[in-house]
Amino acid sequence: QLQLQESGPGLVKPSETLSLTCTVSGGSISSNSYYWGWIRQPPGKALEWIGSIFYTGTTYYNPSLKARVTISVDTSKNQFSLNLNSVTAADTAVYYCASHELLRVRDGFHIWGQGTMVTVSS
Amino acid sequence: SSELTQDPGVSVALGQTVRITCQGDSLRIYYASWYQQKPGQAPVLVIYGKNNRPSGIPDRFSGSSSGNTASLTIAGAQAEDEADYYCSSRDSSDDHHWVFGGGTKLTVL
Repeated sequence: QLQLQESGPGLVKPSETLSLTCTVSGGSISSNSYYWGWIRQPPGKALEWIGSIFYTGTTYYNPSLKARVTISVDTSKNQFSLNLNSVTAADTAVYYCASHELLRVRDGFHIWGQGTMVTVSS
Repeated sequence: SSELTQDPGVSVALGQTVRITCQGDSLRIYYASWYQQKPGQAPVLVIYGKNNRPSGIPDRFSGSSSGNTASLTIAGAQAEDEADYYCSSRDSSDDHHWVFGGGTKLTVL
């Protein structure tokens, strides 16, 4: 059973870079069946897709965040990571990693991590 | 990019049927997926594809779609169904991008 777990600092200073890692267990990140994504949720607000990556390193980003976001994959560690630079208080949110499948008939984020709260504050 | 619109709040009497809707142009092209989120918890996928339930999701949850509107129906709502529900789909301007609706708070009376 595929499981995802986020890790990283819970507090980031304004203008600095938010860095999170998602560890995949119960399966290989190098599977050609899944994309690996990041989704965030500010307190009391809706979910927002940040971006996704395939194990080959191909990435897709939310246009509204593209200038500040980098998602990378480390197949040797079965992990993928999120970097969001020049953060402000508006980036305070719970950050989730999640997986979605290539097959369009199975569209949806099937597996989610538990989420990690990141606060941007000095 | 696409937008998905949901009613902010819906209520249903215990044991009755409720429909939660999601509107957006991308739904004319792509399937909606639906997520249940309870306070302090990660979202859980409840419907994906045409009308599929992941393992462990009760069969009182079903999905449907017509034109630019997708619907999540809960037949015989239970107290434990009280939660926020989000729809999502691929973006009609780039099918490798995803969009989420604003969420619907379901209250079970």
